[in-house]
Amino acid sequence: KNQVEQSPQSLIILEGKNCTLQCNYTVSPFSNLRWYKQDTGRGPVSLTIMTFSENTKSNGRYTATLDADTKQSSLHITASQLSDSASYICVVSGAGFKTIFGAGTRLFVKA
Amino acid sequence: ETGVTQSPTHLIKTRGQQVTLRCSSQSGHNTVSWYQQALGQGPQFIFQYYREEENGRGNFPPRFSGLQFPNYSSELNVNALELDDSALYLCASSPDRSFANTGELFFGEGSRLTVL
Repeated sequence: KNQVEQSPQSLIILEGKNCTLQCNYTVSPFSNLRWYKQDTGRGPVSLTIMTFSENTKSNGRYTATLDADTKQSSLHITASQLSDSASYICVVSGAGFKTIFGAGTRLFVKA
Repeated sequence: ETGVTQSPTHLIKTRGQQVTLRCSSQSGHNTVSWYQQALGQGPQFIFQYYREEENGRGNFPPRFSGLQFPNYSSELNVNALELDDSALYLCASSPDRSFANTGELFFGEGSRLTVL
């Protein structure tokens, strides 16, 4: 069964600290993996898109990694800011319309 | 701002009623996808429209239907509303149907539906 599992479910960190969010998937065949940021009650906004051949992709303070062999991805946030408080959703696409969204990790950044 | 607009932003319906949600895609985008997002969950794919035709469907019953118009705006219709239909409904546009699965999806802010 095609699945996307994210961990942790929620996370609280202090402003200025780093954190890493995890995404494990079983979608096959694999096409690409995307990370989105979703503020409460808003639509998701794209952070990174990675294909099979890409191991790392950065977008400012956000760095995503992908290990297609182990079917794992991580999103690392550096020097967190209060505005980073949001849900982070991992989205994995396969052939056809196999686009599966994870349930997200809810990040709270405290001052 | 993604250029994708959805209306209404919030609405309340009672069980058994029907609802229509609307989405205007980003200029130049011919593909629109609809998603249902329950509280605390990730979005679930409902269906996709490409050039006015349904181009893929998720695991949703036939009472979820849609339309895409010549200007590529789209509607999501839900008949015989059930309590479990309460969710945030998201619309996303992309430049072409291939991009919807391989590239960036541009999401609207969503329509929050509450069914009482």
